[in-house]
Amino acid sequence: ETGVTQTPRHLVMGMTNKKSLKCEQHLGHNAMYWYKQSAKKPLELMFVYSLEERVENNSVPSRFSPECPNSSHLFLHLHTLQPEDSALYLCASSQVAGNTEAFFGQGTRLTVV
Amino acid sequence: AQTVTQSQPEMSVQEAETVTLSCTYDTSESDYYLFWYKQPPSRQMILVIRQEAYKQQNATENRFSVNFQKAAKSFSLKISDSQLGDAAMYFCAYGRLRGGSEKLVFGKGTKLTVNP
Repeated sequence: ETGVTQTPRHLVMGMTNKKSLKCEQHLGHNAMYWYKQSAKKPLELMFVYSLEERVENNSVPSRFSPECPNSSHLFLHLHTLQPEDSALYLCASSQVAGNTEAFFGQGTRLTVV
Repeated sequence: AQTVTQSQPEMSVQEAETVTLSCTYDTSESDYYLFWYKQPPSRQMILVIRQEAYKQQNATENRFSVNFQKAAKSFSLKISDSQLGDAAMYFCAYGRLRGGSEKLVFGKGTKLTVNP
């Protein structure tokens, strides 16, 4: 496989559930990102990991918990979400200081019921 | 904080004709990058074109070109000879390396419809 792969593609969960989103990149990049895409709003940067360290956390509620075990994998752990958290969650990767653009996965469409 | 504004929520164009999508941004930085991304119904964001702020020459990629006006903080995308496959959401994005990572700020997007 090449590129950035996200699983699952679709997820429906109740407000009391715990689930995780997974992102994997096969591009040899060393920075990974979580973005939230809601209808009629700009893409919101949630978390940035650079060289496996979290370098940015944009005031994201604690019900979202990221994990980056290595430079190829990124997780977003979800618990006690709210209906307004329903959105498309996009993962991206890039090469730090490599002057390259970010490459995106196809996203996970999350619905909280 | 940097902001990116796309003032056209929707645009349409006839197949084979030319369309221009607008983007303005606000920053106090002098060194940065600008991007146009395309998001088709498959949802995957695909880079269309990028421009380094220090370059005066406008970037071009086949049928896609930009009009970069640094002083006006304007970065429009021109699509020539539009094709049905160009129909998608187009996002303008601002980025710079900070703290060892590239941070992208996106506009709200413009939905482009291509009419046969």
